Amino acid sequence: QTVVTQEPSFSVSPGGTVTLTCGLNSGSVSSTYYPSWYQQTPGQAPRTLIYSTNIRSSGVPDRFSGSILGNKAALTITGAQADDESDYYCVMYMHSGLVLFGGGTKLTVL
Amino acid sequence: EVQLVESGGGLVEPGGSLRLSCAASGFTFSHAWMSWVRQAPGKGLEWVGRIKSKPDGGTTDYAAPVRGRFTISRDDSKSMLFLQMSSLKTDDTAVYFCTTEGRLTCGVGCAEFLSDWGQGTLVTVSA
Repeated sequence: QTVVTQEPSFSVSPGGTVTLTCGLNSGSVSSTYYPSWYQQTPGQAPRTLIYSTNIRSSGVPDRFSGSILGNKAALTITGAQADDESDYYCVMYMHSGLVLFGGGTKLTVL
Repeated sequence: EVQLVESGGGLVEPGGSLRLSCAASGFTFSHAWMSWVRQAPGKGLEWVGRIKSKPDGGTTDYAAPVRGRFTISRDDSKSMLFLQMSSLKTDDTAVYFCTTEGRLTCGVGCAEFLSDWGQGTLVTVSA
């Protein structure tokens, strides 16, 4: 069974840079999985941040960027702000056509 | 502006059935691939399944936990998406979101990401 892995939690100082990662227990992540990233604050619907590895969704600040780092997908926040404190989820579009979410990373800005 | 409004959530007993609806506007619904995503209380997001657009075959895909119990359908004439849930279990308790799927580079007959989201509707399965 394929599992998408994310760090359960991470913290960053205001103004700092943080990189969250997203891996596959079955092997390396590549652009063919079209990794995407979603931000969710408690009680709210998710918001699409990054898709197709590194494309920012409309209205997303350029301090958010996506990439492939080594064998994982990565979301980097440069110059973190207080309102970046959220849960972040990655998604992989599997070659079977199914969609898999990672377990999410709770980001604390302090 | 894309709008997705879910409805139909509520309390249902284990083994029961429920149908969720999602009213869509602001885009060409008939061309869109649509998905359902759920989130159990205090847990992460989980993809439930999708229905492709009719031009792309109109077929459905489901995650393993709901396959055989849930059915996704659409009414393009009314820009409506549905999720028929049966044989419900307590583990199905969650907020259910409807989403559009987008594509950029994967070509035709495919999708790459979840694009727009509704606000969700809560389903509680409990005796």
